[in-house]
Amino acid sequence: QSTLTQPPSVSGSPGQSVTISCSGSSTDIGTYYRVSWYQQTPGTAPKLLIYEVSYRAAGVPDRFSASKSGNTAALTISGLRTQDEADYYCSSYSNINTWVFGGGTKLTVL
Amino acid sequence: QEQMVESGGGVVQPGKSLRLSCAESGFTFQSSGIHWVRQAPGKGLEWVAVFWHERTKTKYADSVKGRFSVFKDNSKNIFYLHMDGLRPEDTAVYYCARDYGSSWFGHWGQGTLVTVAS
Repeated sequence: QSTLTQPPSVSGSPGQSVTISCSGSSTDIGTYYRVSWYQQTPGTAPKLLIYEVSYRAAGVPDRFSASKSGNTAALTISGLRTQDEADYYCSSYSNINTWVFGGGTKLTVL
Repeated sequence: QEQMVESGGGVVQPGKSLRLSCAESGFTFQSSGIHWVRQAPGKGLEWVAVFWHERTKTKYADSVKGRFSVFKDNSKNIFYLHMDGLRPEDTAVYYCARDYGSSWFGHWGQGTLVTVAS
């Protein structure tokens, strides 16, 4: 199983917007709407942000939005806040009942 | 309060075995399944395995297939990840996570560290 491709890092200033891409293939993102996004801060477990491509998990502010097109998914965070600094991971169901994660993207809020 | 709790991590020599446990508590409904996800030190997340209640079905990542097994003790309502033939590259924090719709990982445990070293 291969991993999804994410940029290692992105950055933005408070109030700005950033988009994190997640590139897969026709065997995962391109075929299934089972794409999810997770936020992880140092020393803690990942936290679900987005499920089934674009649905926000309970308690996640609407500053977080996501979509997919073809084999690529994207997470957009608008109105950046310092507390958004974290690692972000995409995940997708893949064929033959397996799952794949992206390599993770470190968001720095300058 | 809904939570997942892992236990059983530790230091183990290469080639040895270890069994991790995962307990659910506070949930109103039984999960459809439980995933195991690991994270090597300073690295990203890697999906390891899934146990589905329906037909007691399991699936494994290629990196652990044939060495790891997942199962549930119904009498204790605890899920297990049994790891044989451990390798240094298996060193990671292991998380269990609740399956939702065979799609996303909704609730995660706090993780348990497994270190494989001589």
